[in-house]
Amino acid sequence: QKEVEQNSGPLSVPEGAIASLNCTYSDRGSQSFFWYRQYSGKSPELIMFIYSNGDKEDGRFTAQLNKASQYVSLLIRDSQPSDSATYLCAVNGYSGAGSYQLTFGKGTKLSVIP
Amino acid sequence: DADVTQTPRNRITKTGKRIMLECSQTKGHDRMYWYRQDPGLGLRLIYYSFDVKDINKGEISDGYSVSRQAQAKFSLSLESAIPNQTALYFCATSDWEGGQQETQYFGPGTRLLVL
Repeated sequence: QKEVEQNSGPLSVPEGAIASLNCTYSDRGSQSFFWYRQYSGKSPELIMFIYSNGDKEDGRFTAQLNKASQYVSLLIRDSQPSDSATYLCAVNGYSGAGSYQLTFGKGTKLSVIP
Repeated sequence: DADVTQTPRNRITKTGKRIMLECSQTKGHDRMYWYRQDPGLGLRLIYYSFDVKDINKGEISDGYSVSRQAQAKFSLSLESAIPNQTALYFCATSDWEGGQQETQYFGPGTRLLVL
């Protein structure tokens, strides 16, 4: 059973601070990693994906991947109250017969305090 | 217009009833998925389809069935609904083009309550 673990939170940060969200995964063969944001009662929306070790930046968001340690993180700089949501980590792993399947973590709830 | 639509958006039904949730997409993607989301349990895969003639069970397929009527349509059925199937259901499509580089796009969800 492939596992993706996230701290459930809630993670509270003051407005303007850096929010750091972490995710670990069990399938060492996984090669693609995704962060989704989900507002309460809404559908998940993709924020970023990362395939290579290191950092990937997109605006206020930075994804970090360390395959050796099997963790992926998401940093949100200059956090805004509108960033308050649940963040889902998803990992794409081999599921057999030449196909791959996304496994989602349970999500970390982030609250940005004005 | 939304790229991935789900109907109905909300549904209340009684134990033992058969219900169908429908998903349509205009993204032109071959791959479609059904997930359910429960508080504290995250998103769990029910069924997925890589093309019209391909149907695969996911992590929690018991009690559910699916039909891929066309590339753009993927329906989820609960043959005899039970209360523990109360959940938020999401349809998703993906733009897979090979390997593991695949992004999934979610519909707005269907909130189902089984009494």
